[in-house]
Amino acid sequence: DAGVIQSPRHEVTEMGQEVTLRCKPISGHNSLFWYRQTMMRGLELLIYFNNNVPIDDSGMPEDRFSAKMPNASFSTLKIQPSEPRDSAVYFCAANWDPGGELFFGEGSRLTVL
Amino acid sequence: DQQVKQNSPSLSVQEGRISILNCDYTNSMFDYFLWYKKYPAEGPTFLISISSIKDKNEDGRFTVFLNKSAKHLSLHIVPSQPGDSAVYFCAAATQGGSEKLVFGKGTKLTVNP
Repeated sequence: DAGVIQSPRHEVTEMGQEVTLRCKPISGHNSLFWYRQTMMRGLELLIYFNNNVPIDDSGMPEDRFSAKMPNASFSTLKIQPSEPRDSAVYFCAANWDPGGELFFGEGSRLTVL
Repeated sequence: DQQVKQNSPSLSVQEGRISILNCDYTNSMFDYFLWYKKYPAEGPTFLISISSIKDKNEDGRFTVFLNKSAKHLSLHIVPSQPGDSAVYFCAAATQGGSEKLVFGKGTKLTVNP
């Protein structure tokens, strides 16, 4: 199994542009999480899905952020419009057991100029 | 408000010595704790966990201690090896409740040869 796969690994864009980050979780995992890592705030949970349904999006910073999980094998995190303060590493993670071990992807490093 | 705190952003130790990484939490509902290790340009990977019914869990060179009354846990690595150099994240969850893992900001460990 290839693990959680994220794309792109790196994204550089200009302020105001739309950014879409993608995640393919491990087959069989029933929960999917989007985290953001910054120096100031560490790893913050943005949103998580259980069985493709958004359960908690209280960590989504603004309406500019949206996430979808149309099926068990794919999720997207979209930022529109992007701002320089959105620059961070975005991680997708998945697990089987509630509150248990998370399997992370390698992250998508976003730079908004 | 940070519910999981890692107050030391960095730690440097000599190879062969003990590394002690500390973590404090504020939410008394947390009953499951995990440590993750992260290398540069990779996603965090699970290292070791402990349930609140225990006060110690050991896995090879890694031991996690939990002091519930003090709301404090620590990760001991002995002996430390240069390959242990990474960022270590402490995380907490409520088993049987929310699936969310709450992470600390991380401690960067450097093991010098």
